[in-house]
Amino acid sequence: QVHLVESGGNLVKPGGSLRLSCAASGFNFREYYMSWVRQTPGKGLEWVAYISSRGVSVYYADSVRGRFTISRDNSMNSLYLQLNSPRVEDTAVYYCARGRVEAAGSSPGPCDCWGQGTLVTVSS
Amino acid sequence: QVVVTQSPSASASPGASVKLTCTLSSGYNTFAIAWHQQQPGKAPRYLMTVNSDGSHNKGDGIPDRFSGSSSGTERYLTISSLQSDDEADYYCQTWSTGIEVFGGGTKLTVL
Repeated sequence: QVHLVESGGNLVKPGGSLRLSCAASGFNFREYYMSWVRQTPGKGLEWVAYISSRGVSVYYADSVRGRFTISRDNSMNSLYLQLNSPRVEDTAVYYCARGRVEAAGSSPGPCDCWGQGTLVTVSS
Repeated sequence: QVVVTQSPSASASPGASVKLTCTLSSGYNTFAIAWHQQQPGKAPRYLMTVNSDGSHNKGDGIPDRFSGSSSGTERYLTISSLQSDDEADYYCQTWSTGIEVFGGGTKLTVL
């Protein structure tokens, strides 16, 4: 059974740093695009970043480009999101989501499996 | 860049059917979309992918009451025989190389 478990969410000060992790199981992690999606409390879903299966290609939303870094360790079946210089407006629940097998195409495809999320609060 | 638009709210009675709409911006009529359900206090759950030709592929365990269709730049999610636990937010997602886009979501109330 496909399973994604996020961790690392915490209270962080503006300008600080934080690393989120996502542990994957139940599928061949190294074959899939993976994404981070966030949700501000009471608001909708916002795509943050995605990464190709071997980590060669990474893409970011304009709102986080230059501050956040997505990465993965296929030997550990893990996905990461490094938050540098977070802002108050980055406060959200961050979800890890699986895309499609990269062999199926050059775009990430639908998020067909979601983790339970981890809460990041940016506040002084 | 593609824009995804959803009506903010919809409502229907238990046992009835409802059709939710996701509209892609002009020129993006070939794009597939995914529908996700988010019940209160829970993580999103993938429901299905709807292709531009109207075909759809559902996620594991998604009941037959949920179906998808398409017309032009519009993609639909139809839920039949509505139940109380269908009350949720429904999000539409599309993607291309370099970007993923979510609609603002539709809050479905089962009256």
